[in-house]
Order: sequence, then C-alpha cells, then structure tokens
Amino acid sequence: DAGVIQSPRHEVTEMGQEVTLRCKPISGHNSLFWYRQTMMRGLELLIYFNNNVPIDDSGMPEDRFSAKMPNASFSTLKIQPSEPRDSAVYFCASSSTGTGYSNQPQHFGDGTRLSIL
Amino acid sequence: AQSVAQPEDQVNVAEGNPLTVKCTYSVSGNPYLFWYVQYPNRGLQFLLKYITGDNLVKGSYGFEAEFNKSQTSFHLKKPSALVSDSALYFCAVRDSTGGFKTIFGAGTRLFVKA
Repeated sequence: DAGVIQSPRHEVTEMGQEVTLRCKPISGHNSLFWYRQTMMRGLELLIYFNNNVPIDDSGMPEDRFSAKMPNASFSTLKIQPSEPRDSAVYFCASSSTGTGYSNQPQHFGDGTRLSIL
Repeated sequence: AQSVAQPEDQVNVAEGNPLTVKCTYSVSGNPYLFWYVQYPNRGLQFLLKYITGDNLVKGSYGFEAEFNKSQTSFHLKKPSALVSDSALYFCAVRDSTGGFKTIFGAGTRLFVKA
C-alpha cells in the first residue's frame, strides 16, 4: 500500500518567494496533520484537518502560513512570503479517526526539507 | 493539558544489551500512548501503542513498552539491542476523552554501539 506521499522532497528558494508543499494522505484516512521539525523546537503541530475541515490551526506560526484540504486525497501548506527562519523539515501525517476520538496511530510521509536562503 | 516528557536526550547501549527509553505523560483523562521511531531523512514510523488492557504492549522489531498508570510512565524496552536500532525515538500521548491532537515528546536519540 502507498503511504503518505509528500512533494517536493527538497525545496531551496530565496527569501520572499512563495512556497507550496503538497501531501497525499493514505486512502481512507480522514484526518490529516501538518508538522514542522527543527533541531531547536523539535516536532511542532501546525494544523490538522478532520474530514477535510480544519479543526485546530493554533500551531500555524503566523499569517504567512496557510493550509488547505480541498478533498480527501490532497492537502497543501503554503508559505507566502517565505523567510529564512521557516527553514525546517515539514511532515504530513494521516490517520483514521472515529467521531470525536481516535486511538489509531499517525502515518507520516518522509517530509519536505525546506531551505530559505 | 496534555504533556509528554522524555527525560533523556540520548541513550547509549552496547549491542546485545537490554535498552530502555523513558517516557512520562500527563493527560486529564485516560491516555492513548504511542511510540514512534525516526531514521535519518525519513518520517516517523509507528512502533506500538497502548489503548487499554494488558500493561505490556508488544510492537514492531522486538520492541515492547510497559504502561504504568501510578507512575504515569510508558517506557520503551527491548531485551537485546541491535546497531540498526540506532535512531530517534518519540513518545506521544492523546487524551482518550476526545479530540485528535497528539502531543509528541522531544525525542530520545538511541545509540547502539557494536
């Protein structure tokens, strides 16, 4: 079975440019999570969706970050404009959840390594 | 509020020796507990989980974890470490009373020496 697929795997761009990260969750999973990992701050939850609806975006750093999930098989995380401090590895994860609860693990993609020059 | 603590940044063990990676948690309700492993340039991979029932949970690659409610701990263990077990390990908790948010610990780097 295909796991969570993220693209691109690596992105290098200049400060001020728009960056779009993409994620395809595992088919049948109804929850999707975006994380950011850095050495200094560890793994941070940015936003999560349930049934394509954003449930909690309190981890989104600022208005430069936005996320969408137009359908059950695709999500994007956009940074506009990008800044050097956004450099990190961004992970997408998906999970199967019940109504208002979940005891299932999350399945992670291999991440996008983002470098903002 | 939910929280997870992994008190050791790094654990060093010789190949063939038993290993333990420590985790303590705090939730308002009953916990769902998870262990994940991360290899270089890869995403986190699920190892095992505790939902309810037997306090000793067995998972992938010979790992197991013991749930201790009185000590609010969920330590990861393996009887005999392999060099290939060297990786970053994350403990995570979710409150069973509702919600989808999982809190991850800071991670513990396991180094197994041949």
